[in-house]
Amino acid sequence: KQEVTQIPAALSVPEGENLVLNCSFTDSAIYNLQWFRQDPGKGLTSLLLIQSSQREQTSGRLNASLDKSSGRSTLYIAASQPGDSATYLCAVRGNTPLVFGKGTRLSVIA
Amino acid sequence: NAGVMQNPRHLVRRRGQEARLRCSPMKGHSHVYWYRQLPEEGLKFMVYLQKENIIDESGMPKERFSAEFPKEGPSILRIQQVVRGDSAAYFCASSHRDRGDVGEAFFGQGTRLTVV
Repeated sequence: KQEVTQIPAALSVPEGENLVLNCSFTDSAIYNLQWFRQDPGKGLTSLLLIQSSQREQTSGRLNASLDKSSGRSTLYIAASQPGDSATYLCAVRGNTPLVFGKGTRLSVIA
Repeated sequence: NAGVMQNPRHLVRRRGQEARLRCSPMKGHSHVYWYRQLPEEGLKFMVYLQKENIIDESGMPKERFSAEFPKEGPSILRIQQVVRGDSAAYFCASSHRDRGDVGEAFFGQGTRLTVV
């Protein structure tokens, strides 16, 4: 059974810092991995999708990497801003529909 | 191209009533997924449907919950005889899948069900 773990559970940083969010999964037989953002009381916004054959994806200040063999992914956020404050969710897709971690709650302090 | 549309956004039901949650997938998407999010918990998979077929319902409670995705119209998640423990945010996602290439999943804004 696939399990996804995200560390840390919460993170508070001053504006401008670069930061890394971690995601690990137990079953490396995945098709893809997605990073989402969720604001309080809102839905999920897809940030990046990495197919199993890829090593990383970039979008603006965001960079996500995937090491399938070790069951790890990282989301790197450069030059963080208060508007980045949200919960970040990692989810993997294998033979079952997306399995989510519990998320990292990020606060960027101005 | 409108995103995944869910309605209603908020739903209040008394214990014992029925709740119907609707989801219209993105245009061109034929795969729909329902998830439930309880306060302070992660999203839990409930059911995966294609048009007129339930593909995987391993996350659905055995009683009171049902889902459909008819040939025409939105997908419906139905909860009969609601109890307070059903209070949660219910999210729908859709994706386009072409021959084994598993596409990106897009989520709706969710329906927040409150049982009083």
